[in-house]
Formats: sequence, structure tokens, C-alpha cells
Amino acid sequence: AQSVAQPEDQVNVAEGNPLTVKCTYSVSGNPYLFWYVQYPNRGLQFLLKYITGDNLVKGSYGFEAEFNKSQTSFHLKKPSALVSDSALYFCAVRPPLGSSSNTGKLIFGQGTTLQVKP
Amino acid sequence: EAGVTQSPTHLIKTRGQQVTLRCSPISGHTSVYWYQQALGLGLQFLLWYDEGEERNRGNFPPRFSGRQFPNYSSELNVNALELEDSALYLCASRRPGGGYEQYFGPGTRLTVT
Repeated sequence: AQSVAQPEDQVNVAEGNPLTVKCTYSVSGNPYLFWYVQYPNRGLQFLLKYITGDNLVKGSYGFEAEFNKSQTSFHLKKPSALVSDSALYFCAVRPPLGSSSNTGKLIFGQGTTLQVKP
Repeated sequence: EAGVTQSPTHLIKTRGQQVTLRCSPISGHTSVYWYQQALGLGLQFLLWYDEGEERNRGNFPPRFSGRQFPNYSSELNVNALELEDSALYLCASRRPGGGYEQYFGPGTRLTVT
């Protein structure tokens, strides 16, 4: 079965320090991977995606993510955290086109709360 | 460019009632997805509509249904509400062709008492 795991419920980091939010996936074939952020009482905002190509993808608000096929991981990173980055982060996967498991939906991890302290 | 819009923002219903939630996708987007975000359960896929047709549904009972209109807007209907239906209902849209990312609306917070 396809799944996404975010092993940390919460990540705490000091403002100005680098941050990493971890994500691993279990999908056959070459998946499409996404990161979203959710602020309190708001919908999800798209941050970045990996479809193919360079393993390091850059997205909104200075975030980037590194795709590692051998480790089936797609960790979200930012070189210097801001207090305003504090939010709930979701990793998501869409099985590749042509696969029997491609139903169009995104499969989400459980989310990781990022807390950036001044 | 306007984002995905949803209405209403909040609503409170009692058990057994019926509710209709509405979603307008981003202009040019033809696919609409519905997700339920219940406390402690994460985001669960409900329904996918594309070009007016239901393409897939998640593991939810038949009392969850919906449709997509010719202008690509969509509504989600939930009949015979149960307490566990209390959740944030998120609508997302996606443009035809490539891209694959879905853009989410602000959600409708449903409370069932």
C-alpha cells in the first residue's frame, strides 16, 4: 500500500538556524512528491514539488527539498528559519501516471508541527 | 488570479441533518478534489471530480456524495450527519495537463452536535 511517513510530530528550531522536516514514502515506481504548509485555521499552501529531474527542488518562501530515491525520502529544508515559518507541514505523494494505484488523489503524511523560537 | 474559494466558512449542524458545502476552483482548473481533515486523522481523500465526472472516491460511506457543475465548481453533500463528521473539509483544484499539484481552498469547518 502507498503511504507517507513524517516521523516527527514536532520540530523545534531557533530562528536563524537551518531546519529539516523529514518525509519518507512507500510508493512503487517514480512518485510525484509535494510539500504543503498549513497555518492555523487555514487551508494548505503549496510549497514545492518533485516530478523528475534535479534531486534538489526549490520552492516558495526559501524552502527546498531533496529527493533521495535510494532512501525513499523527500526532506524539506530551509537554511535559515524564521519565526513566521512556524506552522504545520505536510508531505504528500501522488503515485505516477500509468500505475494502477494512480487515482488522482494525494496521499498525505500525518503532518509535522514546526516551531521556530526567537 | 483568485484562489480556490469555499463556502460557508463555518457551520454547525445537529446529528442526522444534511449539509452542502461548496467549492469554486481556480479559473482554468478542471479537476476538483475533496478532503476531510479530522482531528487526529490527518487528511483523508474523499472525492475527485474531473470534467463533470466523478473519477474516484475514498473510503467513505455513500452518505458522502457530490457533483461538479459545467463551470467546474463543485459541491459536497453529507447526509445523516454523525458526530465524527466534524472536521475541516478542504477542496482543492488542479489544472488540466501537467503540474499535478493541487491548490487548496481555506476549508469549511463543520461541527456536528
